[in-house]
Amino acid sequence: SQTIHQWPATLVQPVGSPLSLECTVEGTSNPNLYWYRQAAGRGLQLLFYSVGIGQISSEVPQNLSASRPQDRQFILSSKKLLLSDSGFYLCAWSIGKGMRNEQFFGPGTRLTVL
Amino acid sequence: QQQVKQSPQSLIVQKGGISIINCAYENTAFDYFPWYQQFPGKGPALLIAIRPDVSEKKEGRFTISFNKSAKQFSLHIMDSQPGDSATYFCAAPFTGTASKLTFGTGTRLQVTL
Repeated sequence: SQTIHQWPATLVQPVGSPLSLECTVEGTSNPNLYWYRQAAGRGLQLLFYSVGIGQISSEVPQNLSASRPQDRQFILSSKKLLLSDSGFYLCAWSIGKGMRNEQFFGPGTRLTVL
Repeated sequence: QQQVKQSPQSLIVQKGGISIINCAYENTAFDYFPWYQQFPGKGPALLIAIRPDVSEKKEGRFTISFNKSAKQFSLHIMDSQPGDSATYFCAAPFTGTASKLTFGTGTRLQVTL
């Protein structure tokens, strides 16, 4: 069966510091991968979308970037965090081909920027 | 990008009652509409999804009803239980692609004893 991992689970960082969040998927090949941000009490905002290694689509302009160095690894980064980067970051995967587009979410990373 | 309007924002239902959450979408060329359940501090979990070659799908106490002409779909939770207390999100595919989803703003459901 497929599993998705995210780490760290929680993170407190000062403004201006760098960020690296990691997501890995097990039990599937060539998945589509997604990064979402969820502000407190809000919905899910798609940040980045990837269909393969090195293929990243940015959905909204922002202070963050994403990379996919391996098929089942997705990394969210920032060079300098802003207060507005605080939130709950979720990684998700879906089957890469066909019309089966159910997305499955990881446990999330709670980021607080102070 | 697709917009999905979800209502109500919050809902309080007595144990044993019916919880109803509604969503409306704008346009999509792909018929796939999932619902997610999220508990505090956890990632959303896929609850139930419908591909509207049918107008209704039922899984246990959870039912999705779909009205394609009205571009609306809803989640019904029958015999609501305190353990159903969570935030529920509907979603619809992005216009033009089946691989990305637009989510509603969520409904916080509280089931009281």
